[in-house]
Amino acid sequence: DVKVTQSSRYLVKRTGEKVFLECVQDMDHENMFWYRQDPGLGLRLIYFSYDVKMKEKGDIPEGYSVSREKKERFSLILESASTNQTSMYLCASRPFRGGGTEAFFGQGTRLTVV
Amino acid sequence: AQSVSQHNHHVILSEAASLELGCNYSYGGTVNLFWYVQYPGQHLQLLLKYFSGDPLVKGIKGFEAEFIKSKFSFNLRKPSVQWSDTAEYFCAVNGNYQLIWGAGTKLIIKP
Repeated sequence: DVKVTQSSRYLVKRTGEKVFLECVQDMDHENMFWYRQDPGLGLRLIYFSYDVKMKEKGDIPEGYSVSREKKERFSLILESASTNQTSMYLCASRPFRGGGTEAFFGQGTRLTVV
Repeated sequence: AQSVSQHNHHVILSEAASLELGCNYSYGGTVNLFWYVQYPGQHLQLLLKYFSGDPLVKGIKGFEAEFIKSKFSFNLRKPSVQWSDTAEYFCAVNGNYQLIWGAGTKLIIKP
């Protein structure tokens, strides 16, 4: 079974803190993604990576950065957390480039910024 | 621009009712389509997918979807829903790297 593991299910952080969300996949997938999920807005892509050390901005990259030093690990960084970044964060991985391959998701991290 | 539209944000049905959730897409390339489901407290998981061939696709738990190219649609159906189908359902179409997602439909089944 493909497994995508996010380091935390729940996080509470203070405004201004630097926050790290970690994601690891065990199926040697090339592509990895970070989304945030908010009610009524579906999944919005923050950043994605198609290879080690490669990253591309998604639809809402402002206030976020990412790191992919190893193929299996993709980290999302909130440089200075703000209350409007309170959300559910989902990590996903997907093999190959484009095409009909499906994405596999982690359990999500519910981040609350106070 | 590539986009996916799900017509209903909330649907409430009684058990044994028939279900149809609408999904329309806008995408210029070869189309691959997906329905995902997120049960309460669980991760998103694939329900079914269309790559090519038979436009009627069958998935897990009795769900099916029909790809109608002329209507740019990929509607999800189930003839008789159960209380355990209460979940949020997402339609997606493939992009160059990522999937492009609809806003989701929350389905509540009354026992």
